[in-house]
Amino acid sequence: EDKVVQSPLSLVVHEGDTVTLNCSYEVTNFRSLLWYKQEKKAPTFLFMLTSSGIEKKSGRLSSILDKKELFSILNITATQTGDSAIYLCAVANAGGTSYGKLTFGQGTILTVHP
Amino acid sequence: DADVTQTPRNRITKTGKRIMLECSQTKGHDRMYWYRQDPGLGLRLIYYSFDVKDINKGEISDGYSVSRQAQAKFSLSLESAIPNQTALYFCATSDRGTSGTETQYFGPGTRLLVL
Repeated sequence: EDKVVQSPLSLVVHEGDTVTLNCSYEVTNFRSLLWYKQEKKAPTFLFMLTSSGIEKKSGRLSSILDKKELFSILNITATQTGDSAIYLCAVANAGGTSYGKLTFGQGTILTVHP
Repeated sequence: DADVTQTPRNRITKTGKRIMLECSQTKGHDRMYWYRQDPGLGLRLIYYSFDVKDINKGEISDGYSVSRQAQAKFSLSLESAIPNQTALYFCATSDRGTSGTETQYFGPGTRLLVL
């Protein structure tokens, strides 16, 4: 059974701080790892990672994957109150009837205070 | 207009009632999914469909059924609702193409309360 564990489960910081969110996984047939941001309702896509060591970057957010150690991190620099959200990590399975299925972690609740 | 829509957005019902949640998409994607979200448990997959004739159970399908009426429509039914089905339900879609299969696009969610 595929498994995704995120840490910490919640995090409170002040504006301007840098945060690192962690995601470790076990998957029978790894295809990719994805990060989503969930604010009020629907999760929105941030990154998809398939190769180790290649950083994906979007503004103040960046992410990297380590396929040997089976984890990924999501960094947010110079945090703003608008970064407050639940951050979800998911892995996609490449095997057979599971192809394309996502298994999600519990999420990290990030709260950024002014 | 939203690409993935869900109706209703909120629903309160009683134990034992039959409930249907509907999802429609205009993205032209073949694949559709139903998830539920509970605090501290992330998103858990209920059912998924890779095309109109293909329906598969997810990790928590007991107590639920689905219908893929068309490429654009995927409905989730609770035949006899129970209180522990109180949750936030999301529909999602993804493309069939190998480069975009995993990137799922989510609807706004349906908040269901079973009394």
